[in-house]
Amino acid sequence: AQSVAQPEDQVNVAEGNPLTVKCTYSVSGNPYLFWYVQYPNRGLQFLLKYITGDNLVKGSYGFEAEFNKSQTSFHLKKPSALVSDSALYFCAVRALYNNNDMRFGAGTRLTVKP
Amino acid sequence: NAGVTQTPKFRVLKTGQSMTLLCAQDMNHEYMYWYRQDPGMGLRLIHYSVGEGTTAKGEVPDGYNVSRLKKQNFLLGLESAAPSQTSVYFCASRGLAGERPSYEQYFGPGTRLTVT
Repeated sequence: AQSVAQPEDQVNVAEGNPLTVKCTYSVSGNPYLFWYVQYPNRGLQFLLKYITGDNLVKGSYGFEAEFNKSQTSFHLKKPSALVSDSALYFCAVRALYNNNDMRFGAGTRLTVKP
Repeated sequence: NAGVTQTPKFRVLKTGQSMTLLCAQDMNHEYMYWYRQDPGMGLRLIHYSVGEGTTAKGEVPDGYNVSRLKKQNFLLGLESAAPSQTSVYFCASRGLAGERPSYEQYFGPGTRLTVT
């Protein structure tokens, strides 16, 4: 079975500072890893994914994430946070062999203060 | 394209009542999913479908039924609503592995259901 842990319920950063939202995963075999963002009263929007290849993946809105196999982590990063980045962020994982069992983390609320 | 749409957006039910949530997608996606979102628990998969006429159970299927009579629609039914089913329900879809983009799911705006 696969699972995802987002160890921080809340992350606060000042506008212009770098941000990191943490994610660790557990899966048998090679993982597919995803980050989604949810704005208030909206559905989840895809940000980026790691399937194979370079460990550093770039996504929408200037976000990037680094896949670290030895630490089983997939932390989301952005060099310079914007107030508009404030939202709920979800990490998700599914096993390579299982098309339909994607597990989501509990979510991390990011607040960027002016 | 409208993407993934859900109706209704809000609903209040009394315990024991039934209702159906409708999900529609216009991207010709094969896979469709129903999730529920509860505070502090992320999204949990209720049921899913890998194509027209097929459905399967997810992580938390009890108390729900689904149908996929048409490729573009995925219905979620609650036969006898319970307060524990108060939640926000999201539908999602994705394409086949050979299509681009394929791995990520596309989500609808959600249905907020309250059972009293």
